[in-house]
Order: sequence, then C-alpha cells, then structure tokens
Amino acid sequence: QQPVQSPQAVILREGEDAVINCSSSKALYSVHWYRQKHGEAPVFLMILLKGGEQKGHEKISASFNEKKQQSSLYLTASQLSYSGTYFCGTEKGAQKLVFGQGTRLTINP
Amino acid sequence: DVKVTQSSRYLVKRTGEKVFLECVQDMDHENMFWYRQDPGLGLRLIYFSYDVKMKEKGDIPEGYSVSREKKERFSLILESASTNQTSMYLCASSLSTWSSGSYNEQFFGPGTRLTVL
Repeated sequence: QQPVQSPQAVILREGEDAVINCSSSKALYSVHWYRQKHGEAPVFLMILLKGGEQKGHEKISASFNEKKQQSSLYLTASQLSYSGTYFCGTEKGAQKLVFGQGTRLTINP
Repeated sequence: DVKVTQSSRYLVKRTGEKVFLECVQDMDHENMFWYRQDPGLGLRLIYFSYDVKMKEKGDIPEGYSVSREKKERFSLILESASTNQTSMYLCASSLSTWSSGSYNEQFFGPGTRLTVL
C-alpha cells in the first residue's frame, strides 16, 4: 500500500525550514527519500534503516519512527536549490519500493 | 557515475499502436524497474526485473509487458497503446540487495513522456 505524504505542497522563503512527513499503514524496515527537480530524474537523498542506521545527504536530515510507522524529512535553512518534489519510498518485498504521492516544495527568494 | 538512459524523451503514438520504451544502464546493476509517474499519484511500479529474463509484476502491470534479454537493457512494451497510458515513464536500476548485502538506492533515467492520441 502506498505511503501517505504530507503536506502535498509547501511554499517557503529562502532560509525557512520545512518538514515533510511520510506515513505507512504497514510496518517499516527502511524508508528511502528522493528529490525530483522539475524536468529531471528523481535523485536519491537518503535511506533510513530500522535500528537507526542512516545513509545520505549532508544538509538534509530525517527521522524514522518504527513504532509510528512514519518518517520525517527535515530541510533547515532552505536554499533555492531545495525546490522540487520529494518522494518517500517504503519497502515492498525484497528489492522493491512503493513510493508516496510526492510533496512539492517551492523555495522563493 | 551510474548512467541510466532512455531511448526517447518525448514520444507521440496513436491508439492501438505497439510501443517500445527502451532503458539502458551502464553500471552492471542486477535490478531494473519501470515506473509510471502521474500528477498526484507519485511513482507507481509497473514491472521489476532482478536478473536477465527474470521479471515480476509491479502494482500496475495491466496493459504492459517487459523484456530483459541482456543485463544492461530493460524494455517496456505497450502491446496496444491506449489514451489512458499517456504518462511519464521512468526507468531505474539498482544493485541487488542480495549480492551487496545492503539496501541500495535506485538510479533513475530522465524519463519518456508518452502521449497516446
């Protein structure tokens, strides 16, 4: 089942913070985050693993609450380059992901 | 850097035509994926292949088939295109979790925007 992301869209001014949430109705073992800039391919940001291991981006952080079956992506002091659509992906069987519907982030000067 | 290429950025076809979308990756990845991207629906998995000639249906396989004759190439086939298959199609690849022992990110191609008239 597809994870649910919130909000669906957010508009910020440069320097403001944003939080994007990803919730699943199923138990989570890992959560992947991707960003897709307009007209480009999605690009991997980070993965959060059950047990706390995290691998990914230097300027974006995330949390993973296994009990609540949710993950949150934190973008602090946002830059213009952070604009894009963010997707979370949760595991669906070995090797495969099921992605959320996406959160569109717009950063204005 | 991993490179995933797709044969066309834009494609216009007529209803009933057979359509081939090609994807090639150059990093010897075992896994390859075809997704469909529609506004408000995110990325939905059509088919997945974990090895040459091996495939699994994804969440929305109806109306599609795939072919993987070589490790680097994964083709998506629309046997008889319909207007409701107008969409952005994204190909991706990744290392196998089984062989690498860790969870691996997916690398995406630039996408093919298909319009069926």
